[in-house]
Amino acid sequence: QSALTQPHSVSGSPGQSVTVSCSGTATDVGFYNFVSWYQHHPGKAPKLMIYNVNKRASGVPDRFSGSKSGNTASLTISGLQPEDEGDYYCCSYAGDFYVFGIGTQVTVL
Amino acid sequence: EVQLVESGGDLVQPGGSLRLSCAGSGFTFSLYTIHWVRQAPGKGLEYVSAIRSSGDRPFYASSVQGRFTISRDNSQKTAYLQMRSLRIEDMGIYYCARVSDGGTAFPYWGQGTAVIVSS
Repeated sequence: QSALTQPHSVSGSPGQSVTVSCSGTATDVGFYNFVSWYQHHPGKAPKLMIYNVNKRASGVPDRFSGSKSGNTASLTISGLQPEDEGDYYCCSYAGDFYVFGIGTQVTVL
Repeated sequence: EVQLVESGGDLVQPGGSLRLSCAGSGFTFSLYTIHWVRQAPGKGLEYVSAIRSSGDRPFYASSVQGRFTISRDNSQKTAYLQMRSLRIEDMGIYYCARVSDGGTAFPYWGQGTAVIVSS
C-alpha cells in the first residue's frame, strides 16, 4: 500500500506543455490499465480528469492526455492554461483496493 | 444526478471516536461499493477504506486497520466510517466516493467532512 511516486511540483508558462509522472509497481500501475488522474483544489472535491490510463473524463479539455509505459503513468497538459493550476493526483487500481500518488502541484508561471 | 454527502466530522481528542456518514442519492445505492479517501493537512490523498454493495470483505488501509470500521445501511442509502482510537495523523478531510458504472475511476465525490484531532 505504498503511495505512487509523483514529482512534488512542475511548472510552465501559459501555452507550454508539462508532464506529471506517476511511478508505481508491477502490482498496480504496471499490472492494470486502470490509472486515473484527478485535479484537486483545496476545499473542493477532487475532479476526475483521466481514466483507464488515457481516456478523458466528460468535459475535460483535449489538452489533457494520459499514457503509460511499464510501471509509470504520465499526465501531459499541452498548451497550459492559467485555470490548470492545482494539485494533480494519479490513482491506480491494485486488485482489491486503490492507491493514490503523493500529488503534484502544477504551477502556471 | 449522483450525489454523495458526508457528515459527522468534528473536533475530537486523541484516543477518541467519531462516526462519519456518507449519504448517497440519485443512484441505486445498494449496487455500488462506497470508498473513503482522506487528505491530511498539507498531505496528499490517501485511500482509507471501502465497502462492497454486499457489505462483505471490507478494505482498510494499513494505517487504519483495527481502528476503523466501515459499514453500510442500504435501506438508508448511507455508508458509515466508525473511527476509534483517533490519532493526530487521522486529522483531515474525509471524502466518500463512488466509481462510474463498470469503471474503476472516481467521477463522483462528496464535498468532504473535516475531522480535527486535537487536545
